[in-house]
Amino acid sequence: GNSVTQMEGPVTLSEEAFLTINCTYTATGYPSLFWYVQYPGEGLQLLLKATKADDKGSNKGFEATYRKETTSFHLEKGSVQVSDSAVYFCALRTPGGYQKVTFGTGTKLQVIP
Amino acid sequence: DAGVIQSPRHEVTEMGQEVTLRCKPISGHDYLFWYRQTMMRGLELLIYFNNNVPIDDSGMPEDRFSAKMPNASFSTLKIQPSEPRDSAVYFCATQYGIFNQPQHFGDGTRLSIL
Repeated sequence: GNSVTQMEGPVTLSEEAFLTINCTYTATGYPSLFWYVQYPGEGLQLLLKATKADDKGSNKGFEATYRKETTSFHLEKGSVQVSDSAVYFCALRTPGGYQKVTFGTGTKLQVIP
Repeated sequence: DAGVIQSPRHEVTEMGQEVTLRCKPISGHDYLFWYRQTMMRGLELLIYFNNNVPIDDSGMPEDRFSAKMPNASFSTLKIQPSEPRDSAVYFCATQYGIFNQPQHFGDGTRLSIL
């Protein structure tokens, strides 16, 4: 079956530091890959997505590249801000069949001034 | 775009009571999902619907849990009787069917069973 593995958190960084959150996946076929972000007291919201190999998704300074050879979709940001403090979820969906999404366990990011 | 609307935002009730959580999906979205989020178990898919029809309820933990979608504009998740271990944040999410479209989440209902 499908699975998503994320690095354990929490991750604590100083403002303006470089961020990497690792995500690897196991899936049949050619999945679409997503990063969602959850701010305190809110639901998950889409941060970025990539739908085929070598695609790069980007939004709000965050980037992730769909690497089929390493089955990875690592999230990066060059300079984090305090407002980026949240929980980040990696997710995938495979085509065909029903539209279940497989989520990772989430990685909490805390950015300190 | 109003987004996915859930109500209530917070619910506190005593063990044994019936609890009903409500969700209004984004207009035009044909998939609706109910999730539960806890610290211990993370985000769990309970059930999902396609065009108002339940497709997979294998994540529903017990017969105490039931979900309905009587029309394209409304869904409910009911727990009867409720137990303290049901305390969690419950999210509704909806999606337009094409597989690489994202799910849109509501802000959740924080449920506390005393």
